[in-house]
Amino acid sequence: AQSVTQPDIHITVSEGASLELRCNYSYGATPYLFWYVQSPGQGLQLLLKYFSGDTLVQGIKGFEAEFKRSQSSFNLRKPSVHWSDAAEYFCARGAGTALIFGKGTTLSVSS
Amino acid sequence: DTGVSQDPRHKITKRGQNVTFRCDPISEHNRLYWYRQTLGQGPEFLTYFQNEAQLEKSRLLSDRFSAERPKGSFSTLEIQRTEQGDSAMYLCASSPPGPALRGNYGYTFGSGTRLTVV
Repeated sequence: AQSVTQPDIHITVSEGASLELRCNYSYGATPYLFWYVQSPGQGLQLLLKYFSGDTLVQGIKGFEAEFKRSQSSFNLRKPSVHWSDAAEYFCARGAGTALIFGKGTTLSVSS
Repeated sequence: DTGVSQDPRHKITKRGQNVTFRCDPISEHNRLYWYRQTLGQGPEFLTYFQNEAQLEKSRLLSDRFSAERPKGSFSTLEIQRTEQGDSAMYLCASSPPGPALRGNYGYTFGSGTRLTVV
């Protein structure tokens, strides 16, 4: 069955430090892949998406992600984290009409 | 246009009661989705409408759940005889017309309705 795995439940990063959130997917040669961010009590905001083409995808708020077929991964990165980036991050893949989400990674930012 | 609106934002209900949530999608979006998110989990797909037609339902959508989109605009999600396991955030999303897969994935999510069953 198609699935999305986010191995890290919780990550703490110092403000100004770089960030990488991991995401692995199963099944499918070229999946449609997404990263969403969710602030407490809010809906989900799309950060970036990958459908095809260039494997390095730029998104909003300074985020980028790289699709690596050989590793079945789609990791999210940011070179310098801001305190306002503290939130929950979800990786997702397309599955027909629906999205399959991972369980999320909570990002805390320390000063 | 202010995006996808959901009402109410919060609902507390007693076990066994019926509840109904409303979702108003972005006006030009013909596709509408409902997802459920429980604590510590990612959202899980419940159902999908294209215009007024309900085209897909997850097996998570038990017979106590019913969703409608009567005129292809707003949608309602009703849960009958609520159980404590129904406590969750219910998220609505919409997406515009377009090529099937890519059109489907241009989601905009609402802020959700948080249901607590006591």
